[in-house]
Amino acid sequence: ETGVTQTPRHLVMGMTNKKSLKCEQHLGHNAMYWYKQSAKKPLELMFVYNFKEQTENNSVPSRFSPECPNSSHLFLHLHTLQPEDSALYLCASSQDRPGGYTFGSGTRLTVV
Amino acid sequence: GENVGLHLPTLSVQEGDNSIINCAYSNSASDYFIWYKQESGKGPQFIIDIRSNMDKRQGQRVTVLLNKTVKHLSLQIAATQPGDSAVYFCAENIGGNTPLVFGKGTRLSVIA
Repeated sequence: ETGVTQTPRHLVMGMTNKKSLKCEQHLGHNAMYWYKQSAKKPLELMFVYNFKEQTENNSVPSRFSPECPNSSHLFLHLHTLQPEDSALYLCASSQDRPGGYTFGSGTRLTVV
Repeated sequence: GENVGLHLPTLSVQEGDNSIINCAYSNSASDYFIWYKQESGKGPQFIIDIRSNMDKRQGQRVTVLLNKTVKHLSLQIAATQPGDSAVYFCAENIGGNTPLVFGKGTRLSVIA
């Protein structure tokens, strides 16, 4: 365990489904991130939250909707995804920016 | 798994030998660099970091070298073990509060 916990570990969903990914960090960090890692591209930054405020949206399609209710929790709500959205979704947190990130183990998402 | 399909540079090393993984970073203003290790089915894990006012930093069995003149970063692993088999990413902070920029990664395969 790295201190960043992601659930579920694996998710299979249809293109019309709505699902949510959850990330929780137990490190007292103030910044949280969503990354996408796929077979075609390595690590793509999606969203950044700092003290619950979204500070970066890296041109992510609106079918991905993040939510950060507090500094310890981060969600990624998924709706009408496409098969090309199948990937490993990684959450990370950090205390100071710049600084090292602590990653969770990821959610392996398959869209069918 | 993740990174399958990507044409990642691959380094094959005999167990017990030393490994050197290289990374060319993009921005001469970057002031902080990190190496991450990602094993199959897991998120990236912090290995070692270095700030731009240093050119070498040592950890346990790992050494990071920074050459700012040619914007080059390397990770040296001494006495490589089968457990070192993974994808290794370098990351740079290009300044201010911008998120880390990750490289494409190198796959290290250790031959027992």
